Amino acid sequence: AAGVIQSPRHLIKEKRETATLKCYPIPRHDTVYWYQQGPGQDPQFLISFYEKMQSDKGSIPDRFSAQQFSDYHSELNMSSLELGDSALYFCASSFKTEHEKLFFGSGTQLSVL
Amino acid sequence: DAKTTQPNSMESNEEEPVHLPCNHSTISGTDYIHWYRQLPSQGPEYVIHGLTSNVNNRMASLAIAEDRKSSTLILHRATLRDAAVYYCILSVIQGAQKLVFGQGTRLTINP
Repeated sequence: AAGVIQSPRHLIKEKRETATLKCYPIPRHDTVYWYQQGPGQDPQFLISFYEKMQSDKGSIPDRFSAQQFSDYHSELNMSSLELGDSALYFCASSFKTEHEKLFFGSGTQLSVL
Repeated sequence: DAKTTQPNSMESNEEEPVHLPCNHSTISGTDYIHWYRQLPSQGPEYVIHGLTSNVNNRMASLAIAEDRKSSTLILHRATLRDAAVYYCILSVIQGAQKLVFGQGTRLTINP
């Protein structure tokens, strides 16, 4: 079965650079969620989108922005990168009648040097 | 968000049952109890969820206390592949919802 696809798998950036992470949800899923997991930490909710509209917002820095496109894929844009942004970024998706089940991708490992 | 409390770590032996406890004394009437697990180097994975009644699926069973202030995830026969961090999460199922991960239980399975 198709899973949530995230790209790239690994990304290395310098401080103050920008990064774009992409997420392709499971087909027919209409909701996308972004999470950040620092080393040794639990996943922290960043933002979510339902039917291409922002549905909830967590502890997402102002330097980050995200959107969901007409084909339901989502992109997380990160600017003015800081060392502390180094983390594993997970995308998850769910289907409107089964929002209790989130399906997570394998994540993008972002390293800021 | 209502808070959950789980032990930091637990250890069990392969092929034995495992009971993972979760306390949620401030749970509200509309909160569902969700369990997710995260295997090393992977994204979290849905395990099971419930509201009031005990639930069973192919992965595990969820036993919910009558007053709903606690619950237990039961792995009937642990394998080495069940070694993971297990998260107990409360959330209202109301359209798109976020899951707030707290500190989970790191489960170690001994061969």
